[in-house]
Amino acid sequence: AQTVTQSQPEMSVQEAETVTLSCTYDTSESNYYLFWYKQPPSRQMILVIRQEAYKQQNATENRFSVNFQKAAKSFSLKISDSQLGDTAMYFCAFMKEMNRDDKIIFGKGTRLHILP
Amino acid sequence: DSGVTQTPKHLITATGQRVTLRCSPRSGDLSVYWYQQSLDQGLQFLIHYYNGEERAKGNILERFSAQQFPDLHSELNLSSLELGDSALYFCASSVVEREGRHEQFFGPGTRLTVL
Repeated sequence: AQTVTQSQPEMSVQEAETVTLSCTYDTSESNYYLFWYKQPPSRQMILVIRQEAYKQQNATENRFSVNFQKAAKSFSLKISDSQLGDTAMYFCAFMKEMNRDDKIIFGKGTRLHILP
Repeated sequence: DSGVTQTPKHLITATGQRVTLRCSPRSGDLSVYWYQQSLDQGLQFLIHYYNGEERAKGNILERFSAQQFPDLHSELNLSSLELGDSALYFCASSVVEREGRHEQFFGPGTRLTVL
């Protein structure tokens, strides 16, 4: 069974700093998808970034980027120039290859506080 | 706004009761997923429907059931409610895009409180 582990329950950084959230996962699958979701106080689940395991290039979305290390089964999220609006719970998530049991498995989350 | 709607937003009920949560997927999405977010268990997959048919089950209790109707909306039925069923219930929908890209869009959730 697949598992997703986020080892940092809570983090705080100053506004404008760079922060990295860690995530490791365990799977025997060769192809899969990895995601970072953001859940602000409104509780809405918002997709931040997505990585396909067959792609070697790390995904980037504006200030958000990932460091995907397939062999190490590591998938960290880097937030550059952090903003107050980045304060939220962040979930790392895993999904098997499309059309094969495509439920999402979530980590326990990291609560991120951006301090003014 | 993800385009996925869920009703009601909040639901307060008593132990032993039965409730129905409703989800309308994004236009054109055939898949609907239900997730439960509780304080102690985090976000857990419950069940997946594709075009009206059950496709996968997760850690869904026998007291819970779901269905997807011909118009693709879905309902999650929770019966014989217990205090531990208090949680945020999310619905998500998806469509397979070109190049195999796959994304689930989450609704705003229904917060269920069992007293």
